[in-house]
Amino acid sequence: KQEVTQIPAALSVPEGENLVLNCSFTDSAIYNLQWFRQDPGKGLTSLLLIQSSQREQTSGRLNASLDKSSGRSTLYIAASQPGDSATYLCAPLMNRDDKIIFGKGTRLHILP
Amino acid sequence: DARVTQTPRHKVTEMGQEVTMRCQPILGHNTVFWYRQTMMQGLELLAYFRNRAPLDDSGMPKDRFSAEMPDATLATLKIQPSEPRDSAVYFCASGLVRDGTLVQETQYFGPGTRLLVL
Repeated sequence: KQEVTQIPAALSVPEGENLVLNCSFTDSAIYNLQWFRQDPGKGLTSLLLIQSSQREQTSGRLNASLDKSSGRSTLYIAASQPGDSATYLCAPLMNRDDKIIFGKGTRLHILP
Repeated sequence: DARVTQTPRHKVTEMGQEVTMRCQPILGHNTVFWYRQTMMQGLELLAYFRNRAPLDDSGMPKDRFSAEMPDATLATLKIQPSEPRDSAVYFCASGLVRDGTLVQETQYFGPGTRLLVL
């Protein structure tokens, strides 16, 4: 059974810092891995999707890396802004059309 | 602007009452997922449907929960009778699967129904 762990559970940093969110998963037989963002009281928005054959994906100030063999993914946020404050969820997809398994997320707070 | 909609957005009820939550998937999507989110457990998959047929409901307590898709534009999740431990946010998501693969390789989430059972 896939288990997804995200570290840290919560993080507060001053605006402008670069930061790294970590995700580890126990079963490396994944089809892809996504990073989602969840704002308080809202649903989830997909930020980045990495195929199992890829090493990283970039979107603006966000960069996600994937090391499938070691069961790790990181989300790098450059030049953080207060608007980045949210919960970030790591979610590997096990099979081509199987369910997504979510980590419990990292609650990020960017201090103005 | 295609979105997944969920109703109601908030529900407060008393223990033992029936609760019905509704979801309208994005038009054209053939796969619908129900998730429950709590502080302790995070996001858990309860059930999902493909072309209105249930594919996996192993995450759902069968004695009190039921999920259905009366038609392609409506999915329902019902709890009867409700208990305080059911208090959570329930999310619906939809996606498009073709030939066994998520076409857009992601799911689109609704805003959730926040349920409080007293």
